[in-house]
Amino acid sequence: AQTVTQSQPEMSVQEAETVTLSCTYDTSENNYYLFWYKQPPSRQMILVIRQEAYKQQNATENRFSVNFQKAAKSFSLKISDSQLGDTAMYFCAFMKYSGTYKYIFGTGTRLKVLA
Amino acid sequence: EADIYQTPRYLVIGTGKKITLECSQTMGHDKMYWYQQDPGMELHLIHYSYGVNSTEKGDLSSESTVSRIRTEHFPLTLESARPSHTSQYLCASSDPSGTTDTQYFGPGTRLTVL
Repeated sequence: AQTVTQSQPEMSVQEAETVTLSCTYDTSENNYYLFWYKQPPSRQMILVIRQEAYKQQNATENRFSVNFQKAAKSFSLKISDSQLGDTAMYFCAFMKYSGTYKYIFGTGTRLKVLA
Repeated sequence: EADIYQTPRYLVIGTGKKITLECSQTMGHDKMYWYQQDPGMELHLIHYSYGVNSTEKGDLSSESTVSRIRTEHFPLTLESARPSHTSQYLCASSDPSGTTDTQYFGPGTRLTVL
């Protein structure tokens, strides 16, 4: 069975600094997708970034980038130039398709950006 | 911004009441999902649907039921609410016709059963 592990329940970072959130997963699949979702306090969950497992190039979205290490089954999220609006719960998610779609989420990392 | 809506946003209700949580999306997505999330915790999939008249139970056992009579509508019903049902319920939809099956989430319904 697939699992997703986020080992950092809480993190904090100073405004304008860089922070990296870790995520590891376990799967025997070769084709799958990985996602980082952001859930601000009392607000809607939104997609931050996604990565296709067959792509070796790391995905980037403005200040957000990932370090995808397929062999190590690691999928960390780097937030550069942190902003106060980045304060949120961040969930790592794994998705595969093998006849049916299956999503597995990690337990989340609560990130607080300090002024 | 994803066009997926949930009502009510907050609900406080007494034990034994029947409740229905509404979820609607205007994106024409075939797949829809219900997740349960306790504060600060991970999401647990409780129901999903691949299209009209298709519903399946998710990984987390739930006493709730769902229906999918129309593509855009995926309500969740609790016949008799209990305090153990207190949680946040998130609805999501996705369109797998693209390169990835990204899920778009609604704002959630925070349910409190007294």
